[in-house]
Amino acid sequence: DSGVTQTPKHLITATGQRVTLRCSPRSGDLSVYWYQQSLDQGLQFLIQYYNGEERAKGNILERFSAQQFPDLHSELNLSSLELGDSALYFCASSVDGSYYNEQFFGPGTRLTVL
Amino acid sequence: KNEVEQSPQNLTAQEGEFITINCSYSVGISALHWLQQHPGGGIVSLFMLSSGKKKHGRLIATINIQEKHSSLHITASHPRDSAVYICAVTGSYQLIWGAGTKLIIKP
Repeated sequence: DSGVTQTPKHLITATGQRVTLRCSPRSGDLSVYWYQQSLDQGLQFLIQYYNGEERAKGNILERFSAQQFPDLHSELNLSSLELGDSALYFCASSVDGSYYNEQFFGPGTRLTVL
Repeated sequence: KNEVEQSPQNLTAQEGEFITINCSYSVGISALHWLQQHPGGGIVSLFMLSSGKKKHGRLIATINIQEKHSSLHITASHPRDSAVYICAVTGSYQLIWGAGTKLIIKP
């Protein structure tokens, strides 16, 4: 158990809908990262937050947005969903915003868009 | 050309064999990570290294900064080692991920 929690574990929805994925980092970790992993694909970095502020942005679509709250949990909002958004979404946390530190991964949320 | 290349893409071996997975990168880095993704999807960080060699149990990771190459070795492989092994390098502002090597160890 990494100490990072993600909810829900599974999510099935329809095209055009909007969903929110939630992540709670390990206790004491200030930085949260979001990744997307499509079927048989590698991890794609979406966005990073550090202590409530956006730190880095990767291949995140405009239909997607995220935020980190004062209690350090983070939410990833996906809107106008398309079939191609079906994927595993991972959240990871690290003690600070440095990429030299180990990232601890949550179990992921499996999103299926029908 | 991808900035991080892993080889082989797929590897099937018999229990007990010595396994080597390679990672080559084309960008300047400060650190390299090896991670393991289990068949159920969970991801675990195995190593982070910036020089030399690290060992944890039956796993050994090496890096050659000059050659921009890292290897992950598994000694006395076991079916429970079956997983996808992912290499990621610390780029300018984010981790750059390899596509992963799918390892299957047969009993």
